Amino acid sequence: GAGVSQSPRYKVAKRGQDVALRCDPISGHVSLFWYQQALGQGPEFLTYFQNEAQLDKSGLPSDRFFAERPEGSVSTLKIQRTQQEDSAVYLCASSLPGTSASEQYFGPGTRLTVT
Amino acid sequence: GQQVMQIPQYQHVQEGEDFTTYCNSSTTLSNIQWYKQRPGGHPVFLIQLVKSGEVKKQKRLTFQFGEAKKNSSLHITATQTTDVGTYFCAGNYNNNDMRFGAGTRLTVKP
Repeated sequence: GAGVSQSPRYKVAKRGQDVALRCDPISGHVSLFWYQQALGQGPEFLTYFQNEAQLDKSGLPSDRFFAERPEGSVSTLKIQRTQQEDSAVYLCASSLPGTSASEQYFGPGTRLTVT
Repeated sequence: GQQVMQIPQYQHVQEGEDFTTYCNSSTTLSNIQWYKQRPGGHPVFLIQLVKSGEVKKQKRLTFQFGEAKKNSSLHITATQTTDVGTYFCAGNYNNNDMRFGAGTRLTVKP
């Protein structure tokens, strides 16, 4: 009965490096969400998948951010040419139904520090 | 754009005192959810409110959804040290766009 898992838990990147963050949702969950949480702030929506379809990517801050979920389960959030302002905790959440209007189960997050 | 405002940002109470956090949206919500995040942890779902004027209770926690479905509140009666954490509301609009408030960080002095 594993929950949502994310890896790595911590990532330090030098400015300009590319990073890839992984999310393993709860098995069978249709919806998957990525959020960015800055220190002392609430989670900010980045993108949403329903199975393998990326239905909403309006929250991605720039074209350096890219997310995929090719087989409708595991998802990867990629950030190219990281900048210091990308430093944050990246949270992944999943839910069973195909909408966001239900309980979301969050993973532990990946804390990204860009130096 | 769609935004959920949450106040206060911080609340420090003596154990046994009550606590309330408020959320307000500029536009009508389809539903609102509440989450709790302990220090160093991740958000954990508490409850979802869907109906206009809905009130739900979980032990010492009371959740309300306004008649216009634009505001909500969470009230904790007789706080305990285990209530420490940040409480977030998350407003859901019809387009699968969930917006979190900035959160209210609650500290409880024993």
